[in-house]
Amino acid sequence: AQSVTQLGSHVSVSEGALVLLRCNYSSSVPPYLFWYVQYPNQGLQLLLKYTSAATLVKGINGFEAEFKKSETSFHLTKPSAHMSDAAEYFCAVSPTGTASKLTFGTGTRLQVTL
Amino acid sequence: KAGVTQTPRYLIKTRGQQVTLSCSPISGHRSVSWYQQTPGQGLQFLFEYFSETQRNKGNFPGRFSGRQFSNSRSEMNVSTLELGDSALYLCASSRVTDTQYFGPGTRLTVL
Repeated sequence: AQSVTQLGSHVSVSEGALVLLRCNYSSSVPPYLFWYVQYPNQGLQLLLKYTSAATLVKGINGFEAEFKKSETSFHLTKPSAHMSDAAEYFCAVSPTGTASKLTFGTGTRLQVTL
Repeated sequence: KAGVTQTPRYLIKTRGQQVTLSCSPISGHRSVSWYQQTPGQGLQFLFEYFSETQRNKGNFPGRFSGRQFSNSRSEMNVSTLELGDSALYLCASSRVTDTQYFGPGTRLTVL
């Protein structure tokens, strides 16, 4: 069975600081990996996805993630945090070849302070 | 292009009742999936429909059911509601095996 682990349920950074949200996956075969963001009282918005092409994936709003097979990781980064980045972030995995039946991590709430 | 729409956005029911939630996918998307989000269990996959057929199913009791119509719109039904069914129910649509795009969700409160 596939699974993802997000380290840190809450992360706080200062505006302008580096954002690093951690995600490790468990899968017997190379999976598809995703990062979604959820703002209060809203659904999930796709930030970026890895589907076995380039290992460094660039997404929206300045976010990027690097797939590292040796570390089974897919950490999300952004060089400079903005107040509007405050939200909950979810890492998700799906079986290779499909983006359905997503298994989500427990989420990381990002707080951005002045 | 319009996004995924879900109706209603908010719903209050009492224990023992049943409820039906509706989801209209993005135009051209034939796959619709449903997820339940709760503070305790997080985001969990309920089921996926493609071309009016259930293609995948999560680990939920039979009280949770769904269907998909020929225009790809989908409904999910929960019968004999329990307090623990209170959750945000999210619908997502996609092309055949492509990325899922989520709707705003229906927040169900069971009293």
